[in-house]
Amino acid sequence: AQKITQTQPGMFVQEKEAVTLDCTYDTSDPSYGLFWYKQPSSGEMIFLIYQGSYDQQNATEGRYSLNFQKARKSANLVISASQLGDSAMYFCAMRETNTGNQFYFGTGTSLTVIP
Amino acid sequence: EPEVTQTPSHQVTQMGQEVILRCVPISNHLYFYWYRQILGQKVEFLVSFYNNEISEKSEIFDDQFSVERPDGSNFTLKIRSTKLEDSAMYFCASNSIEGMGDTQYFGPGTRLTVL
Repeated sequence: AQKITQTQPGMFVQEKEAVTLDCTYDTSDPSYGLFWYKQPSSGEMIFLIYQGSYDQQNATEGRYSLNFQKARKSANLVISASQLGDSAMYFCAMRETNTGNQFYFGTGTSLTVIP
Repeated sequence: EPEVTQTPSHQVTQMGQEVILRCVPISNHLYFYWYRQILGQKVEFLVSFYNNEISEKSEIFDDQFSVERPDGSNFTLKIRSTKLEDSAMYFCASNSIEGMGDTQYFGPGTRLTVL
């Protein structure tokens, strides 16, 4: 089974609107971390936001927030007030305590912000 | 702001040739990683390195791959006899501590093209 599933290969959003990128995960480890990365067309991987499995509150970083629903095993990324520069691939990733430090990545969602 | 650097940004090689991809992790980081991303696919873990030895590796990381930290700053990935299917973007990453919340910071990647 896939550890990280991103079901939206492509998304469009109007500039200044909010958008939610979906991510579900599969683990039996009670301790894990969830991460979102942005990959613009230039190719680098830019860290956006982190959520720990024991965190009581949803993580927020500026315009990024993570809608963490532990029972549903989902960790959706919400981008508020979209900007043209947000157009990129977005990857959800997970690290589990029992499998060491490696990250498991999803297949990504391509976000296009429309002016 | 400190960052992970990688050289070269693009490497073209003939099948069967050896290549060495170079990375300079963030200076106070202790854990180092290589990932690869075949064009249009998700990022896949290759290997992690700590205290001058491999701590984890994936099934992809077979005998044709090796890693080394030849000095205090560089971290290299060697592919001994490249195959066509090794064509991918290779990312180096590093983090400072073995903790759930410790983000891995990625370099800009090396795009390897095997002809």
